Amino acid sequence: KAGVTQTPRYLIKTRGQQVTLSCSPISGHRSVSWYQQTPGQGLQFLFEYFSETQRNKGNFPGRFSGRQFSNSRSEMNVSTLELGDSALYLCASSFQGVSYEQYFGPGTRLTVT
Amino acid sequence: KNQVEQSPQSLIILEGKNCTLQCNYTVSPFSNLRWYKQDTGRGPVSLTIMTFSENTKSNGRYTATLDADTKQSSLHITASQLSDSASYICVVSARMDSSYKLIFGSGTRLLVRP
Repeated sequence: KAGVTQTPRYLIKTRGQQVTLSCSPISGHRSVSWYQQTPGQGLQFLFEYFSETQRNKGNFPGRFSGRQFSNSRSEMNVSTLELGDSALYLCASSFQGVSYEQYFGPGTRLTVT
Repeated sequence: KNQVEQSPQSLIILEGKNCTLQCNYTVSPFSNLRWYKQDTGRGPVSLTIMTFSENTKSNGRYTATLDADTKQSSLHITASQLSDSASYICVVSARMDSSYKLIFGSGTRLLVRP
């Protein structure tokens, strides 16, 4: 069974630009969650999508948004990038949701200059 | 305030030795607690997931314990190997209103030396 895949793996953007990251969950998983990981803040929960609906949301500004498609693939968008958005963005898939076993992808390393 | 605190922040041990990592939480209402291993530059990998009623769970050389009364968990690594060098993250799930929240510890960075 293929694992969680994320694209792209690395990305360099300029402050003020926007970026879209993609996540393909494990086949059959309907829940996709997104996380931001930085050395200073550790892992922080962004949001969770389940069957195309946002079900959980962390404490991030509205510049961070996401969506999920009918095939459970998910995208995360960050608009008006700031230097502080530089981080490793991880997505995790689960059959039933964040309270259950989650499988993480390798992450997308975003650098904002 | 819901918090998960891990100790120590970092640890260096010699290959073949055992070690124990600690996780204390103040999360309520508690749903489950999990330990993840994260290699540098990679996504976390689940080691164990424990509910309220479980107090010990093993995964190979990794054994997690949970004391729901004192709100403490530990991860014991037996006969460490160089490949155990990684960050270990404790995560607690809480049910809030009609949804679940995950509260992450800041991790323990383990270095195993030959």
